[in-house]
Amino acid sequence: AQRVTQPEKLLSVFKGAPVELKCNYSYSGSPELFWYVQYSRQRLQLLLRHISRESIKGFTADLNKGETSFHLKKPFAQEEDSAMYYCALRKYNFNKFYFGSGTKLNVKP
Amino acid sequence: NAGVTQTPKFQVLKTGQSMTLQCAQDMNHNSMYWYRQDPGMGLRLIYYSASEGTTDKGEVPNGYNVSRLNKREFSLRLESAAPSQTSVYFCASSEGFSNDEQYFGPGTRLTVT
Repeated sequence: AQRVTQPEKLLSVFKGAPVELKCNYSYSGSPELFWYVQYSRQRLQLLLRHISRESIKGFTADLNKGETSFHLKKPFAQEEDSAMYYCALRKYNFNKFYFGSGTKLNVKP
Repeated sequence: NAGVTQTPKFQVLKTGQSMTLQCAQDMNHNSMYWYRQDPGMGLRLIYYSASEGTTDKGEVPNGYNVSRLNKREFSLRLESAAPSQTSVYFCASSEGFSNDEQYFGPGTRLTVT
């Protein structure tokens, strides 16, 4: 069965510090991995997806199939990064998404 | 474009009452989804509709039914509400192709007493 694990419920860092939000998954096939973000009073929205290999708002995430991880990283956190972050997995060519339990990132001034 | 809209925004039900949550999207998306969000559990898929005319169960379908009324609308029905169904419910839609993005509604906060 597929599962997405985000081990940290809350991550607090100071502005300017590096941040890494962890995501591990279990799935035997070829996964598609995503990071979604929910800012306060806003809708859940896509931040980035592994297939794009892009940097969005300074965030990057690399799919490590050996470690079955898709950690989200940013070298210098900003206060506006404070939000709830969800890692999600989609089975290749299927329409079902599996979300992790989320990590609340709090960036302190 | 309104994107994904949900009604109502808030609802309080008594145990045993029924209600339907409405969802509509104006992006001509093929796929639509219903999730519930609970503290510490993240988002869990209740039901989804890959395309108009089809619906499938997600992780937590018990106690719910859905109807894909047309390409735009996907409703979620609670026939006999239970306190365990107290949650925030999100509707989402996507084009339905590989590597696509889900667009979420604002959510419905449901309390069952």
